[in-house]
Amino acid sequence: DARVTQTPRHKVTEMGQEVTMRCQPILGHNTVFWYRQTMMQGLELLAYFRNRAPLDDSGMPKDRFSAEMPDATLATLKIQPSEPRDSAVYFCASGFSGGTEAFFGQGTRLTVV
Amino acid sequence: SQQGEEDPQALSIQEGENATMNCSYKTSINNLQWYRQNSGRGLVHLILIRSNEREKHSGRLRVTLDTSKKSSSLLITASRAADTASYFCAIYNQGGKLIFGQGTELSVKP
Repeated sequence: DARVTQTPRHKVTEMGQEVTMRCQPILGHNTVFWYRQTMMQGLELLAYFRNRAPLDDSGMPKDRFSAEMPDATLATLKIQPSEPRDSAVYFCASGFSGGTEAFFGQGTRLTVV
Repeated sequence: SQQGEEDPQALSIQEGENATMNCSYKTSINNLQWYRQNSGRGLVHLILIRSNEREKHSGRLRVTLDTSKKSSSLLITASRAADTASYFCAIYNQGGKLIFGQGTELSVKP
């Protein structure tokens, strides 16, 4: 049963700490999206990759956020330093290029205190 | 900023009734998709309609697309309590971005 796997599922950290969220896309998918979901802003697209290359990360605060795909089986989203306003659920999704459906992971619920 | 706007924000109906949710967008699209999210879970894809299509069906779901008005609607017929969830439209634009609306929270009362 192919699925997108995100780790950790929950993370509580102190302000100023580095946070790394990981995503294993479905094998064979060549497009990966990172989203942030909050009550106020809804689902915001932070970054997306095609064939491991970043295509757009304009939705991401550049000074503290970074997204990478070290290989086809791993995407990472890092926040350094974290701030309370980063508290949200972060979703990774993968799919095929060309506009087909996206498959979502279960999300990482981040709380920065 | 997000490019999908949905209404209503919340909808409460009785089991057996139909539920209609609307989505408007601002840019050209490749396709428009609808997703469902149960509380505390990831999003699940429901249906995709291409920019050259006007209507699509899948089980109890019916989606329409009007590209001249930049709008879409999702109809769930004969709703069930298990349909209670948030529903999101998402536009897949020509730049390859998948951008979501704010969602409609549907409550189906038994």
